[in-house]
Amino acid sequence: DQQVKQNSPSLSVQEGRISILNCDYTNSMFDYFLWYKKYPAEGPTFLISISSIKDKNEDGRFTVFLNKSAKHLSLHIVPSQPGDSAVYFCAASDMRFGAGTRLTVKP
Amino acid sequence: NAGVTQTPKFRILKIGQSMTLQCTQDMNHNYMYWYRQDPGMGLKLIYYSVGAGITDKGEVPNGYNVSRSTTEDFPLRLELAAPSQTSVYFCASRRSEGSYEQYFGPGTRLTVT
Repeated sequence: DQQVKQNSPSLSVQEGRISILNCDYTNSMFDYFLWYKKYPAEGPTFLISISSIKDKNEDGRFTVFLNKSAKHLSLHIVPSQPGDSAVYFCAASDMRFGAGTRLTVKP
Repeated sequence: NAGVTQTPKFRILKIGQSMTLQCTQDMNHNYMYWYRQDPGMGLKLIYYSVGAGITDKGEVPNGYNVSRSTTEDFPLRLELAAPSQTSVYFCASRRSEGSYEQYFGPGTRLTVT
């Protein structure tokens, strides 16, 4: 069973606009969530995380929101830049990953 | 500080052959992981280790074996390779409980024909 789900395989946005990537989970016992960014032919790199006791964490252009009642988290990138074009994975504290969302930011 | 290194970068195996994917980290991390990523899919956990001498199965362990004799090294062994094992393999490490951020290697692209 897939406990961490990213239902949107791809997202395309214009440079300067907001990118919103979504992730759903099924296990309410997860106590930490992470977002990773992956460029082609490279390993994933850590982007931002959030503890389950918080509902928001911000780091520069990146903000992660957690809605525990809905078992949903989202990553907001504002403003989006062409260099943000990559695959984004959400992951839970048991080290399980979603399928990823490919973000394309158009100049 | 090289982080997590993986060798080889690419490999083609014939069905039934065996090989070992090497993974080394120089950050003195206790936790190490092996994942596979199939096209269009997320990372699936194969095996993990919480310290030297301790390993455990992940989501998709069948057809693989691991060992952890040192803190630095966590090799993944494929016995009797099958086409279903064609994938990109990533090794990762992290410090300890309470620190969930993983550091990934660059991956090994394996094709079994």
